[in-house]
Amino acid sequence: QVQLQESGPGLVKPSETLSLTCTVSGDPINNYYWNWIRQPAGGGLEWIGRMFTSGSPESSPSLKSRVTISVDTSKNLFSLILSSVTAADTGVYYCARGLRENDDYDWGSDYWGQGTLVTVSS
Amino acid sequence: QSALTQPASVSGSPGQSITISCTGTTSDVGVSKYVSWYQQHSGKAPKLMIYGVSKRPSGVSIRFSGSKSGNTASLTISGLQAEDEGDYYCSSRTTSHTWVFGGGTKLTVL
Repeated sequence: QVQLQESGPGLVKPSETLSLTCTVSGDPINNYYWNWIRQPAGGGLEWIGRMFTSGSPESSPSLKSRVTISVDTSKNLFSLILSSVTAADTGVYYCARGLRENDDYDWGSDYWGQGTLVTVSS
Repeated sequence: QSALTQPASVSGSPGQSITISCTGTTSDVGVSKYVSWYQQHSGKAPKLMIYGVSKRPSGVSIRFSGSKSGNTASLTISGLQAEDEGDYYCSSRTTSHTWVFGGGTKLTVL
């Protein structure tokens, strides 16, 4: 059974950098898209970005200048870095795996982590 | 890219059918086969219910079905049950190979 687990600091100061890691167990990380999605309290889902294990990262146009996503196949994990955070970046951050079917890797996200709450506050 | 448009809320009685719409543009829903739907219960991670416009992942009830016409995708739940109550989100890949979500729809089972 594939499991994803987010980890990282729950509190980040304004203007600083948010760093999260998603550890994948139950299946090798190779040959999948790995996504980051967030959700403000009481709000909807927002796609942050993703990376294929052997490709280049892609991110939401609204966050592109502040987002870095990387994959570490040796440790079976992937990471998110969001720079220059503000209170608007507060919310639950999810990592998720892209659904792979028939040699197509981008059907949506089938496995999700439980989410980790990040608060931006001084 | 703008969020896809969903109704804020829908409701139905047990046994009835409901449909949630998801309207996008010719840069996403209208031209994409990568349209998916997620169910989210309070405090839980989203769960994939429909992918590829109308495909159901293994284990998802056949009461859930998806379709698309033009720039609007739809999720239909038939034989509504109390456990279906929650928030539903559509999502589409865009022509820029990014993804965009809808604003979410709260389903209430009366």
